[in-house]
Amino acid sequence: GAGVSQSPSNKVTEKGKDVELRCDPISGHTALYWYRQSLGQGLEFLIYFQGNSAPDKSGLPSDRFSAERTGGSVSTLTIQRTQQEDSAVYLCASSPTHGVGEKLFFGSGTQLSVL
Amino acid sequence: LAKTTQPISMDSYEGQEVNITCSHNNIATNDYITWYQQFPSQGPRFIIQGYKTKVTNEVASLFIPADRKSSTLSLPRVSLSDTAVYYCLARSYGNKLVFGAGTILRVKS
Repeated sequence: GAGVSQSPSNKVTEKGKDVELRCDPISGHTALYWYRQSLGQGLEFLIYFQGNSAPDKSGLPSDRFSAERTGGSVSTLTIQRTQQEDSAVYLCASSPTHGVGEKLFFGSGTQLSVL
Repeated sequence: LAKTTQPISMDSYEGQEVNITCSHNNIATNDYITWYQQFPSQGPRFIIQGYKTKVTNEVASLFIPADRKSSTLSLPRVSLSDTAVYYCLARSYGNKLVFGAGTILRVKS
């Protein structure tokens, strides 16, 4: 596609359920990032992928959060046993390179609401 | 980490030039300064990037002094559609690209 695609755009779930959020990066982009944005707040870094490996997972808030990337393309962010404090917009971004001078291209995000 | 500091919010009127200054006192030698714009219900969008001196594109200008401890995003003749949150980033050591709180720009008619 022309841009970064995220699905679903909205997800409502019950506390304790597991959810999967998907990100389709721009074709050929090797770097992929996940961020979280709570209402009225800035962006919180979660995890970064270079290819299929995740050199930096330091932003994942707890062991309920995990992410993977396959084929150097699609990435899935999984949240197990969701809690109300997990409610936020989850943003994915991709980049053709990583490092100095990097430019990120963001999707429109997945709005997650945990009831 | 190359922490950035920006004003929390700014107000302007249509047609005015807006300058948003960001401080990054401990910027590393290799760090680029990058600005993003975010509208409600959208992901951030790249605006402009620079290393030193001045960079201009069709949207904005970026001024970076010789010591690189600050940078100024300049938006010429803003319109209502420029109302958004503006983020200044300086790449930190390692892999993280850290976003600060950003500056809320409100353009009034």
